[in-house]
Amino acid sequence: QQQVKQSPQSLIVQKGGISIINCAYENTAFDYFPWYQQFPGKGPALLIAIRPDVSEKKEGRFTISFNKSAKQFSLHIMDSQPGDSATYFCAASLPGGFKTIFGAGTRLFVKA
Amino acid sequence: GAVVSQHPSWVICKSGTSVKIECRSLDFQATTMFWYRQFPKQSLMLMATSNEGSKATYEQGVEKDKFLINHASLTLSTLTVTSAHPEDSSFYICSARVGGQTYEQYFGPGTRLTVT
Repeated sequence: QQQVKQSPQSLIVQKGGISIINCAYENTAFDYFPWYQQFPGKGPALLIAIRPDVSEKKEGRFTISFNKSAKQFSLHIMDSQPGDSATYFCAASLPGGFKTIFGAGTRLFVKA
Repeated sequence: GAVVSQHPSWVICKSGTSVKIECRSLDFQATTMFWYRQFPKQSLMLMATSNEGSKATYEQGVEKDKFLINHASLTLSTLTVTSAHPEDSSFYICSARVGGQTYEQYFGPGTRLTVT
């Protein structure tokens, strides 16, 4: 019930292409959905986040698409760059923000 | 803004000894701090949540007597791994939250613990 399923596990994209990572959840109580970027040996960094009353949010090259009825959300990275190569985690938080469940992560590699 | 530091960044200790990891919010006051554990190429697993001045709330399966958490001030939380064993070797990451309606967590750079 509190799982967040993330796919794919790994992704290879050409420079300039679009990277798409998908997540799905079951618990409709989640009310905050962030995406994090993590480089090897570093802590995660918040990229972008969305609330369930919004269907899309864009910040620079990063866009979250949110489908409340399907209980799915995705991250799109436009014009992917080699510097975007990292592990990306989707997450979902319960009301109050005291518990956040992370997806398994997607290792993205952008080929130059 | 919203910088969280951790110290040390890596530590090697002998089996049976205790290790303390510090987590500090440098430019904001954190009403809540979280401690996560991450194994190689795996996701983050929440270990415990701590609020300033109160006892930490541990996730199911996390030994509270082994992983001692103290949130002494609005800018400092510590995790002490007591009587460490090789299976405690992992990447420990803290995060901090301002609180209220703000859900954003700001993560520290992590601490690599190796127990020999």
